[in-house]
Amino acid sequence: AQTVTQSQPEMSVQEAETVTLSCTYDTSESDYYLFWYKQPPSRQMILVIRQEAYKQQNATENRFSVNFQKAAKSFSLKISDSQLGDAAMYFCAYRTLDNYGQNFVFGPGTRLSVLP
Amino acid sequence: DSGVTQTPKHLITATGQRVTLRCSPRSGDLSVYWYQQSLDQGLQFLIQYYNGEERAKGNILERFSAQQFPDLHSELNLSSLELGDSALYFCASSVDGTAPEKLFFGSGTQLSVL
Repeated sequence: AQTVTQSQPEMSVQEAETVTLSCTYDTSESDYYLFWYKQPPSRQMILVIRQEAYKQQNATENRFSVNFQKAAKSFSLKISDSQLGDAAMYFCAYRTLDNYGQNFVFGPGTRLSVLP
Repeated sequence: DSGVTQTPKHLITATGQRVTLRCSPRSGDLSVYWYQQSLDQGLQFLIQYYNGEERAKGNILERFSAQQFPDLHSELNLSSLELGDSALYFCASSVDGTAPEKLFFGSGTQLSVL
């Protein structure tokens, strides 16, 4: 079974600085998808960024980018120019190519605080 | 707004009771997923329905059941509630076509069992 690990339960960053959240996963599949979801205090789950495993190029969405290392099974999220609104729980998630729910696995989350 | 609607937003009940959580997926989405998020914990997959049929089952208790109706909305029924069932219950939907899609989450139902 696939597993997703986030080794940093909590992180903090100064406003306007850059922070990197770590994620590792375990799978025997060669093709899959990886996601970062953000959960602000409102508790809504919001998709931040998505990466296809067959793509070597790292995904980027405005201030958010990933460092995808397939061989190392690592998928870190970099937030540049951190803003107060970035404070949230961040969940790393893995999904196989099939459409079975148990194969969409979330990590335990990293709580990010942004300091003014 | 994700397009996924969950009702009610908050639910307070007593142990031993039964409740029903409702979810309306995004227009066109065929799959509905239910997740449980306990305090300061990640999301635990409960169950998935695809076009009215159960597709996958996770760590769902026997006291819990779900169904997806012909109009594709889904209900999660929780019975014989215990204090430990207090959690945020998320519904998510996806198209589930030939390519796997991301999940669109509702805003959740906060269940408090007293």
